[in-house]
Amino acid sequence: EAQVTQNPRYLITVTGKKLTVTCSQNMNHEYMSWYRQDPGLGLRQIYYSMNVEVTDKGDVPEGYKVSRKEKRNFPLILESPSPNQTSLYFCASSPYSPTNYGYTFGSGTRLTVV
Amino acid sequence: DQQVKQNSPSLSVQEGRISILNCDYTNSMFDYFLWYKKYPAEGPTFLISISSIKDKNEDGRFTVFLNKSAKHLSLHIVPSQPGDSAVYFCAAYLTTSGTYKYIFGTGTRLKVLA
Repeated sequence: EAQVTQNPRYLITVTGKKLTVTCSQNMNHEYMSWYRQDPGLGLRQIYYSMNVEVTDKGDVPEGYKVSRKEKRNFPLILESPSPNQTSLYFCASSPYSPTNYGYTFGSGTRLTVV
Repeated sequence: DQQVKQNSPSLSVQEGRISILNCDYTNSMFDYFLWYKKYPAEGPTFLISISSIKDKNEDGRFTVFLNKSAKHLSLHIVPSQPGDSAVYFCAAYLTTSGTYKYIFGTGTRLKVLA
């Protein structure tokens, strides 16, 4: 089944403890992206990647890192999480620029930082 | 600075009637506009898109209209079905100097009443 897989689905962590949210797609898509969803703010882009080893900042990149060492994986790294990073995170992928066919999204990761 | 706005947080419609979801934007350089649907505990799913050079695109029960002079787009669902009850996000895309922006609105919750 063609899909974007995120892990974990739920995570509670403490301030300052490094964590990684994994994202993997099995559709050989070029484009991948991370979004966070917060009440009243919609989905905001954190980072995106247009190909292997090519990443760029979205609108809210502060406090996050990403890497794209291989086409299928695009992990999101929080080096020192803070409570304001408590949010619902989505990974997404698209075969080319996400215009005619849009993004395929994962099911989300709900992160709580205490 | 919210470049893509969905001013109605919620909408209720009777089954079989038309649902009209609205979206306003501020940047006339957007190349594409898209609509996504989101059910609880799932990622958004792509519905329909429209290029900035068109004013209408249709796919089954879903039609998107674009009014560039008013910087306004709308999604029409006809006829509405209970399974259409979800949160709908509009998104706008632009590419510039080898990078791209993909901006979502805050969403409108549609409830279709049986």
